[in-house]
Amino acid sequence: EVQLVQSGAEVKKPGESLKISCKGSGYSFTSYWIAWVRQMPGKGLEWMGMINPGNSDTRYNPSFQGQVTMSADKSISTAYLQWSSLKAPDSAMYYCARRDYFDYWGQGTLVTVSS
Amino acid sequence: EIVLTQSPATLSLSPGERATLSCRASQSVNNYLAWYQQKPGQAPRLLIYDASNRATGIPARFSGSGSGTDFSLTISSLEPEDFAVYYCQQRTNWPLTFGGGTKVEIK
Repeated sequence: EVQLVQSGAEVKKPGESLKISCKGSGYSFTSYWIAWVRQMPGKGLEWMGMINPGNSDTRYNPSFQGQVTMSADKSISTAYLQWSSLKAPDSAMYYCARRDYFDYWGQGTLVTVSS
Repeated sequence: EIVLTQSPATLSLSPGERATLSCRASQSVNNYLAWYQQKPGQAPRLLIYDASNRATGIPARFSGSGSGTDFSLTISSLEPEDFAVYYCQQRTNWPLTFGGGTKVEIK
């Protein structure tokens, strides 16, 4: 069974750093890109970018370029999304999803940034 | 960037009725269009990919059609569990983009 399991909810202060994870199982992790999708409270879905876990090639949405960093550790079938300095507007639900039409999704990681 | 415009924003229907949702692209997406369903508190679920292919486990009452810039998702007879928000998404060009969503609500 294909599964993407994300790390748990986070509460952070503005300016703090954060790294959330997405662990794949039930398939060859290096065979499919992993995408990250943001959903702000009460809003729609936004594609942030994606990473090829096989070679760590990345594609960023220009709207998120420079704001986040995507990485992957294929040895443990895990993709990451990180921020170096969080802001209040980064508060959202973040999903990982497999490939470029998103056939499997993680359960989401809720990030709350508040002073 | 390819802009996807979904209409209507809200669709009020009764169980058993037929639902037709529209997604229009600002330029051709070469049929690389997908549809997702999202219920409150849940991750989205893939329904249709490449315009008309049902994803694994998706009931036959869901169908997708269209080509180029105009696409539709049809739910032939609404079940109670189908009341949700539906999004279209294109994968022809980066950045990948989603439509703004259509909420299907109980009338």
